[in-house]
Amino acid sequence: QQQVKQSPQSLIVQKGGISIINCAYENTAFDYFPWYQQFPGKGPALLIAIRPDVSEKKEGRFTISFNKSAKQFSLHIMDSQPGDSATYFCAASKGGGATNKLIFGTGTLLAVQP
Amino acid sequence: DVKVTQSSRYLVKRTGEKVFLECVQDMDHENMFWYRQDPGLGLRLIYFSYDVKMKEKGDIPEGYSVSREKKERFSLILESASTNQTSMYLCASSHRYEQFFGPGTRLTVL
Repeated sequence: QQQVKQSPQSLIVQKGGISIINCAYENTAFDYFPWYQQFPGKGPALLIAIRPDVSEKKEGRFTISFNKSAKQFSLHIMDSQPGDSATYFCAASKGGGATNKLIFGTGTLLAVQP
Repeated sequence: DVKVTQSSRYLVKRTGEKVFLECVQDMDHENMFWYRQDPGLGLRLIYFSYDVKMKEKGDIPEGYSVSREKKERFSLILESASTNQTSMYLCASSHRYEQFFGPGTRLTVL
């Protein structure tokens, strides 16, 4: 059962453009929503994360927008660069206690063309 | 600098072989995880462990087992490898929220 739905599966953006990746979740008990970035040959690494008590979080060119009522959150990459080309995964978890199991989306392959 | 290491980057095994994938973390984390990554399916949790000798099944545990005898080491075992277990295997560790991943092991079962 897919609890976190991610779209699009792949995305091509021109250098300097805005990349937008969307995720939707079902479980209203989720309280932590991270985005992971994975380069070829590497494991995923945490990029940015948000909790449902805020609607937006920005770190440099990366912004998470969160819509609690719609159960959706998205990653915006401003001024996209070729170095941003990677696979991006959204995820969600609840509790954040001892184990913090993450439910991952299916991933988005981003290609930023020079 | 935090580090999660996996014993092999690439592994080729034959159907029916017993396969061991090893993962070591140096961050003194309580939690460790094994995922498999397949195109279009994202990361799926196989097993996780929240303490030494403790383990819980994830979403796709069939055909796998795990062992955690020491806090820093978490092993994934394929008792009898099958071709449908050809995949990228990722290990991760965490203390609270952020999970730190190893580089992955690409396993091919012939």
